[in-house]
This record gives sequence, C-alpha cells and structure tokens, in this order.
Amino acid sequence: EAGVTQFPSHSVIEKGQTVTLRCDPISGHDNLYWYRRVMGKEIKFLLHFVKESKQDESGMPNNRFLAERTGGTYSTLKVQPAELEDSGVYFCASSQLAPTGRRARSGNTIYFGEGSWLTVV
Amino acid sequence: AQKVTQAQTEISVVEKEDVTLDCVYETRDTTYYLFWYKQPPSGELVFLIRRNSFDEQNEISGRYSWNFQKSTSSFNFTITASQVVDSAVYFCALSEAGGSSNTGKLIFGQGTTLQVKP
Repeated sequence: EAGVTQFPSHSVIEKGQTVTLRCDPISGHDNLYWYRRVMGKEIKFLLHFVKESKQDESGMPNNRFLAERTGGTYSTLKVQPAELEDSGVYFCASSQLAPTGRRARSGNTIYFGEGSWLTVV
Repeated sequence: AQKVTQAQTEISVVEKEDVTLDCVYETRDTTYYLFWYKQPPSGELVFLIRRNSFDEQNEISGRYSWNFQKSTSSFNFTITASQVVDSAVYFCALSEAGGSSNTGKLIFGQGTTLQVKP
C-alpha cells in the first residue's frame, strides 16, 4: 500500500514567486494535515482537512498560504508570493477518520509523507 | 495550553551504548495521545509509537522501549544497544482526543538529534 506522497520533494524559488505543493494521502484516509518545520524550529501544524472540508486552519501563518482539497482526495498548498521566511520543509500527513463516542479512545495513527523541502532565495 | 518539551537538543553516543530521549508534556485534557516519530537523514517522518493517556503500561519493541509516567507528565524513549542506523532526529508529539471533532492535531517537541558513532 502506498504511503503519503508529496511533490515536489525539493523546490528552490525566488522571493515573490509562487509555489504549489501537492500531497496524496493514503487511500481511504479522510483526515489530511499540513505541517511545516522552518529552520531550527519545531514542526508546526498548519491545517486539517476532513474530506474536502477545512476542519481547522488555525495554524496557517497568513493569507499568502492557500490550501485546497478538491473532491476530498489529494491536497495542494500554494504559497503566493513566497517570502524568505517561508523556507523550510512542508509535511503532509493523513489518518483514518477516527470513531467517536466510546470507540474514540482508540484514536488513529497519523502517517507522514517525506516532506517538500522549500528554499526561497 | 498544550506543550511538548524535549530538553535535549543533541545527544552523541558510541555504538552499543544505551540512550534515553526525554519528553515532557503539558495538557489540560484528560484524554490525549502521545507519539514518537523518527526523522532519518532522508527526511521523512517515520511513526514509531502511539500511546493513549489511559494506558500507562510501558512498551518494548525490539531495542526500543517507552516509559510513560502520567505523574511526571513524561514519555521517555530508550534505545538499547544503539546502532549507527539509529542516528536521526526524534520528535515527541502530543495530540488531544478532540471529543467529537477528534482533530488529531499534533503538537511537536523541538526534536532531539541523536548521533551514534561507530
């Protein structure tokens, strides 16, 4: 079974340009997450999709970042225009939709992709 | 507020030594999950373990073991007889149960870089 896949693996762009990162979650996973790690800092949550709906986008840094998940399958994260401080690694993750109620105690494992390494120069 | 602290920024050991990576967390939730992920030089985040807050039983998987202590809010990770291939950045993470929303949003620690020398 394929894991979470991300494209491109590496990208170098100039300040002011646009970059679009793509994530294909594990088949059947309704939850899709975007995280990023900028240089030397911890990995931080950006947003969470449940199917095609944005469940939580509290971690999106500003309106230069736009995430979409059309049809509830793959997702894209666009940075426009890119700034120097956007450099870092962007991780996508997915998990199954966890049961609620008493069965919610089981939770679900979140699987990460290999990351898209973005360098803005 | 939720927080995860990995006080050790870098650890260097010689092969075959045992090493423990510390993780301390803060949360107001009574139900939560704790995770450890490994990031080898190739870059991907590899899932190692998930622990539920209501299960304090320690776990062993080969050379890896985890010690969950709710009383001290710690979830430490020990590698026994370390090997060069264990060299990586290790992240501890916390997730709230989220009730009906069950968001699964992870709060990560800063990561501990482990270097195992031959």
